[in-house]
Amino acid sequence: SQTIHQWPATLVQPVGSPLSLECTVEGTSNPNLYWYRQAAGRGLQLLFYSVGIGQISSEVPQNLSASRPQDRQFILSSKKLLLSDSGFYLCAWRDLQVTGYEQYFGPGTRLTVT
Amino acid sequence: GIQVEQSPPDLILQEGANSTLRCNFSDSVNNLQWFHQNPWGQLINLFYIPSGTKQNGRLSATTVATERYSLLYISSSQTTDSGVYFCAVTKQAGTALIFGKGTTLSVSS
Repeated sequence: SQTIHQWPATLVQPVGSPLSLECTVEGTSNPNLYWYRQAAGRGLQLLFYSVGIGQISSEVPQNLSASRPQDRQFILSSKKLLLSDSGFYLCAWRDLQVTGYEQYFGPGTRLTVT
Repeated sequence: GIQVEQSPPDLILQEGANSTLRCNFSDSVNNLQWFHQNPWGQLINLFYIPSGTKQNGRLSATTVATERYSLLYISSSQTTDSGVYFCAVTKQAGTALIFGKGTTLSVSS
């Protein structure tokens, strides 16, 4: 079976500090991977998606970047956090062979920038 | 881009009541999913339903793609049904989901 992990679960960081959030998927090969953000009291917004190693597409210009160094690893980074980066970050995956077009989400990372 | 509207934004029910949540979308879609976000933030997949009708226990969903809407039915609601229900769509195969703003459901005993 497939599982998706995210860490850390919660994070409190000062403004101007760097950020690294990690997402890994087990039990599948060459999945599509996605980063979404949910700001407090709002819906989810796509940040980045990847169809393969080293292939990253950005939906919204922002203070964040993403990388996919391995097939089942997706990393969200920032060099200097802003207060507006606070939110709930969710990683998702799908694999056409396993899930079709249905996406599944990880448990999320709650980031508070102080 | 495609717009997704959910109604009602908030819903308060007594345990045992039935409810219908609606999702309207502004263009044709090839993927539609319903999620339940629990109090810990986890998004739980309820239905993958780009068209047709599906049922899973007390929950069922219907999507009428030609009329660009989907309905989620919750029967005999329980307190554990509380949370936010999201509808999300994709217009092209394999692209990212576009979410509605959700319906917040509160079920009291």
